[in-house]
Amino acid sequence: AQSVTQLGSHVSVSEGALVLLRCNYSSSVPPYLFWYVQYPNQGLQLLLKYTSAATLVKGINGFEAEFKKSETSFHLTKPSAHMSDAAEYFCAVSRGGNTGKLIFGQGTTLQVKP
Amino acid sequence: GAVVSQHPSRVICKSGTSVKIECRSLDFQATTMFWYRQFPKKSLMLMATSNEGSKATYEQGVEKDKFLINHASLTLSTLTVTSAHPEDSSFYICSARDRAGGWETQYFGPGTRLLVL
Repeated sequence: AQSVTQLGSHVSVSEGALVLLRCNYSSSVPPYLFWYVQYPNQGLQLLLKYTSAATLVKGINGFEAEFKKSETSFHLTKPSAHMSDAAEYFCAVSRGGNTGKLIFGQGTTLQVKP
Repeated sequence: GAVVSQHPSRVICKSGTSVKIECRSLDFQATTMFWYRQFPKKSLMLMATSNEGSKATYEQGVEKDKFLINHASLTLSTLTVTSAHPEDSSFYICSARDRAGGWETQYFGPGTRLLVL
């Protein structure tokens, strides 16, 4: 069975500081992993996805994530936080096969302080 | 980019009434749409998978008679919450899988906030 754990329900950083949002997964099959961002009262927007190609994945808005199989991790990073990055971030793993079904983590709220 | 819309964005209804939520893919065809429910400060929970022209498949624990799903065309899926109760109050989000894209490509709607009084 697949599952996702996001460590830290709330992360606060200063503007310009490094952003690190943690995600660990469990999967019985080679995983497809995703990071989504959700702004207040909006749907989810895909930041990036890992689909078994390069382990370092670059996404939109300067975000990237590295797939580490040995650590079963897929942490999201951004070198320099911007105020507009404040949002809810979700890590997700595909359930398996090509169903498109996703299992989401609990989410991490990113606060960016001026 | 691909756009998915939901209507209404917000609805308040009385207990016992039914509410229909529409999910539309505006610029692509979606053979598959997913319906999620999101509680405050909580993750998204997949409720059901909607396939065009066939019956929806529901996740374990989701009452199919309570949450009726219809996927009548390649651009429209509807979720009807029947005989709504206050515990059905939630944020409902749909996503649509682009027929022309890879299986892992899906786009999310902006969500519908349902409040049952």
